[in-house]
Amino acid sequence: SQQGEEDPQALSIQEGENATMNCSYKTSINNLQWYRQNSGRGLVHLILIRSNEREKHSGRLRVTLDTSKKSSSLLITASRAADTASYFCATRDQGAQKLVFGQGTRLTINP
Amino acid sequence: ETGVTQTPRHLVMGMTNKKSLKCEQHLGHNAMYWYKQSAKKPLELMFVYSLEERVENNSVPSRFSPECPNSSHLFLHLHTLQPEDSALYLCASSQDLPTSGWSDTQYFGPGTRLTVL
Repeated sequence: SQQGEEDPQALSIQEGENATMNCSYKTSINNLQWYRQNSGRGLVHLILIRSNEREKHSGRLRVTLDTSKKSSSLLITASRAADTASYFCATRDQGAQKLVFGQGTRLTINP
Repeated sequence: ETGVTQTPRHLVMGMTNKKSLKCEQHLGHNAMYWYKQSAKKPLELMFVYSLEERVENNSVPSRFSPECPNSSHLFLHLHTLQPEDSALYLCASSQDLPTSGWSDTQYFGPGTRLTVL
């Protein structure tokens, strides 16, 4: 069953601007991850945030998690053309063995 | 790109053909996964293997048959597929199953683009 739902489905911004994507989910989770996928390629892991964490940084990426609202956001600062890709959140329920992925946000960075 | 390779990268087959997809991971991981990615649908988990044992079969039709001869290799055997099976098939691996306490991070291969005519 689908767990994470990303918002917006598509986002187009100018190079240098910040991009924010959101993910909502329905159940109690152990952790939430963000992945990137370039067109027709495999997914690449970006960052993992555990249910007891509220914010995490990795380079130009900032992820927040609000378990009371069952939502997460991914912020990419100072965007570059190479950031053009689809971004997926994935959640794992407490005690579950599998990740459940959302449908993704298609991000386009215009030069 | 990552330590997970998949062959072939592209495959076109008729509905009566039999073909196999291959995945190999060079990361020393114990868990491997098959996913199906169709246009405008979320990534669908198909099978999970841990130490060569299948631990999850996500209601996948029997025309898809997985095989895991060792912890580094994973196959997906295809037989009498339907046009709606056309999709990108992704293989992934992780250090171990998430419930073991190891990292949940999964490492994906580049995928096989399958077209069923």
